[in-house]
Amino acid sequence: EDQVTQSPEALRLQEGESSSLNCSYTVSGLRGLFWYRQDPGKGPEFLFTLYSAGEEKEKERLKATLTKKESFLHITAPKPEDSATYLCAVQAEEYGNKLVFGAGTILRVKS
Amino acid sequence: SAVISQKPSRDICQRGTSLTIQCQVDSQVTMMFWYRQQPGQSLTLIATANQGSEATYESGFVIDKFPISRPNLTFSTLTVSNMSPEDSSIYLCSVSTGANVLTFGAGSRLTVL
Repeated sequence: EDQVTQSPEALRLQEGESSSLNCSYTVSGLRGLFWYRQDPGKGPEFLFTLYSAGEEKEKERLKATLTKKESFLHITAPKPEDSATYLCAVQAEEYGNKLVFGAGTILRVKS
Repeated sequence: SAVISQKPSRDICQRGTSLTIQCQVDSQVTMMFWYRQQPGQSLTLIATANQGSEATYESGFVIDKFPISRPNLTFSTLTVSNMSPEDSSIYLCSVSTGANVLTFGAGSRLTVL
């Protein structure tokens, strides 16, 4: 059973069309939930860390939120340059210091 | 944050051969991590490399298949041995830059024919 599930697998938006990406997790003893952005041909780039339910973090058009079972990455008025694969990862007591990644959501924003 | 250089960036290899991927960091780090990213699948940790000790491998990965060297605090190599088409993947090196945040190299895309 997957411990970290991201949905949708792929998302196409028009420029300016806001939406949300989901990351659900089933691990116990969450220590942190991480969001990364990955552009083609590059390694993942860190965006946010969330530690507890109710926490929110923002950066430009992105806002990440966390509940006890899932996290959302809200994208407000996206631009074509927001096109990328967005990965979430969890760190939990049952895995020690290891990060467990989801498979990612591929976002395409068309102008 | 750390800057990581990986090479080769991509390679096409024949079945049964081995390939060594190099990872150079611009600062000294205690632990370096090697990940595999297969198409449509999650980023998966292969092993953790500490300088001066044997690498620690995750379940499903063995030293004979993925030998790792860590000769100093800024450099590591991962070898993919006796390759098969199933080893076609992107291999990524990463380091922790504080608060469990990982910085990744650009990756090495391996295609095995």
